[in-house]
Amino acid sequence: DAGVIQSPRHEVTEMGQEVTLRCKPISGHNSLFWYRQTMMRGLELLIYFNNNVPIDDSGMPEDRFSAKMPNASFSTLKIQPSEPRDSAVYFCASSRTTGANYEQYFGPGTRLTVT
Amino acid sequence: GENVEQHPSTLSVQEGDSAVIKCTYSDSASNYFPWYKQELGKRPQLIIDIRSNVGEKKDQRIAVTLNKTAKHFSLHITETQPEDSAVYFCAAKETGGFKTIFGAGTRLFVKA
Repeated sequence: DAGVIQSPRHEVTEMGQEVTLRCKPISGHNSLFWYRQTMMRGLELLIYFNNNVPIDDSGMPEDRFSAKMPNASFSTLKIQPSEPRDSAVYFCASSRTTGANYEQYFGPGTRLTVT
Repeated sequence: GENVEQHPSTLSVQEGDSAVIKCTYSDSASNYFPWYKQELGKRPQLIIDIRSNVGEKKDQRIAVTLNKTAKHFSLHITETQPEDSAVYFCAAKETGGFKTIFGAGTRLFVKA
C-alpha cells in the first residue's frame, strides 16, 4: 500500500485566494483525520470523519475552513478565503477504527504558505 | 473533553543516557495511549502504544508506563542514540470514540 497520499506537498498562495488540500486514505481505513501543525499551537485536530461522515468538526478554526469526504478514498480541506495566519503544515491521517488497532497513519503533509 | 499535558517541552541528553517524557490526561474514560515520533520535516509515526488494561509495555530500547489512578503515562528511552533526536508526541484516545488528542510535543536532542 502506498500509505496516505496528500497533495499538493507545497502550496504558496496569496491572501484571499481559495486553497484546496487533498487526501487519499489507506484503502480499508474507515476513519480520516485532518490536523494542522504550527510551532505555536502544535498538532491540532481540525475535523475527523468515520465512514465518510463528519463526526467532530469542533477544531475547525473558522467558517473559512470546510472539509468534505465524498467517498471512502478521497477527502478535501478547503480554506476560502485564505489568510497569512493559515500558514502551517496540514496533515491528513487515516486509521481503521474497528478491531483493536487504533494506529493513525499520517500522510506526508501539505506545507501551506499564505503571503 | 480530553486534555493531554506533556513535559518537558525540550529535553537534551548525552548519547547513551536515558530520556523520560511524561504526560497526563484528564478523561478517565480514555483507553488507548499512543506515542508518535516526528523527525524534522517528516510525518508523525507511531513508535509504541499502551492500552488501559496494561501497566507497562516494552519494545527494545523504548518502554511506556501507564498509571490509570493518577492519569499519567510516560515514555522511557534507554541508551539514547543521535537518531533518537526528534519531537515526541503522547496522545490519548477516548473510549468508544475515534478522537485522539495529542500533547504539545517534546523536542529531544541527543548529543553525540
